[in-house]
Amino acid sequence: AQSVTQPDIHITVSEGASLELRCNYSYGATPYLFWYVQSPGQGLQLLLKYFSGDTLVQGIKGFEAEFKRSQSSFNLRKPSVHWSDAAEYFCAVGDISGGYNKLIFGAGTRLAVHP
Amino acid sequence: DGGITQSPKYLFRKEGQNVTLSCEQNLNHDAMYWYRQDPGQGLRLIYYSQIVNDFQKGDIAEGYSVSREKKESFPLTVTSAQKNPTAFYLCASNQPGTGGFTEAFFGQGTRLTVV
Repeated sequence: AQSVTQPDIHITVSEGASLELRCNYSYGATPYLFWYVQSPGQGLQLLLKYFSGDTLVQGIKGFEAEFKRSQSSFNLRKPSVHWSDAAEYFCAVGDISGGYNKLIFGAGTRLAVHP
Repeated sequence: DGGITQSPKYLFRKEGQNVTLSCEQNLNHDAMYWYRQDPGQGLRLIYYSQIVNDFQKGDIAEGYSVSREKKESFPLTVTSAQKNPTAFYLCASNQPGTGGFTEAFFGQGTRLTVV
């Protein structure tokens, strides 16, 4: 079955430090991969997506992610974290098997930023 | 502006009561989804619909029902059979592509509490 694993439930970094959030997926075909961000009590906003082509994708707010097929990973990175980046981050894979579109999410990683 | 509107933002339910959460989109998307979010569990798929008058059960459909009579509307009813309905509910939509997957857009969510 298709699944997404985010190994880190909570991560704390200092403002200005670099960030990497991990995501591993299990999917039989070419994956459609997404990273979303959620502020408390809000909906989800798309940060970036990978469908095909260049394995390093750029997103909004200075985020990037790298698709590594050999590792079944799609880790999210940011070179310098800002206090406003504190939020919950979700990795997701788009499942088109069976003729239906479904998004399968990981459990999320909550990011705290120390001043 | 195009988007997804969920209402109400907060909803309180008494034991044994059915309640309906509203989701409306003006993005002209064919596909719509309902997710349930609990702390530490990410987003779990309740129901999804690819087209009007058609919908499919997701991973946790028990105790929920939906309808899709209009393209822009996908209401979710939480029935009395749902034993633990307190959660944050998110509605999403996208436009299924030919042989691919497209970005999903999310509403701002409804927080349901049993009192």
